[in-house]
Amino acid sequence: GAVVSQHPSRVICKSGTSVKIECRSLDFQATTMFWYRQFPKQSLMLMATSNEGSKATYEQGVEKDKFLINHASLTLSTLTVTSAHPEDSSFYICSASWGGGRETQYFGPGTRLLVL
Amino acid sequence: EDKVVQSPLSLVVHEGDTVTLNCSYEVTNFRSLLWYKQEKKAPTFLFMLTSSGIEKKSGRLSSILDKKELFSILNITATQTGDSAVYLCAVDYGGSQGNLIFGKGTKLSVKP
Repeated sequence: GAVVSQHPSRVICKSGTSVKIECRSLDFQATTMFWYRQFPKQSLMLMATSNEGSKATYEQGVEKDKFLINHASLTLSTLTVTSAHPEDSSFYICSASWGGGRETQYFGPGTRLLVL
Repeated sequence: EDKVVQSPLSLVVHEGDTVTLNCSYEVTNFRSLLWYKQEKKAPTFLFMLTSSGIEKKSGRLSSILDKKELFSILNITATQTGDSAVYLCAVDYGGSQGNLIFGKGTKLSVKP
């Protein structure tokens, strides 16, 4: 149980284009989904927290107009990287929780984004 | 199918106890195994293990990898209430850039 999927697993795009990444909870209803970005030395940065049906809460320093997050249903959240630049190339991971608390998170397999 | 399995899923101990958390994996193109501690925000990186039998230590925490048996353990000695958290195991696999697959975590509660 508690399976989270991400699509696509890997994407290559040209600079200036937009890329959408989907995060789905397959066998539970996720009231809260989190989006992370992996940085060097294995650190994970929380980008934003999204609750179903409401606007996402972005962490300090994360541009909400560049990283659009939508959590339209209890099983789907999307992250759209708009006007992607090479420095946006990274590994993006989502996690999902049904309890609303950060401690009960189930992680997706991640999406590797490469912007040329 | 690649997978990472952690056990136990939850654990309650008292301060001063020693705990051992387990992580087993089945992945292709294994690169490394990572341990994270998750409290309120993003998981905090603890260890990265790439070679079998070499213990990594940081204070009261230590970890070791067995690539033959495909598992790792995270030990915490003399536990404190501040150790209460979810401990995540992840495996870096595949490709030249690496990807992570996470286990479901072990929720550790340390009682005073």
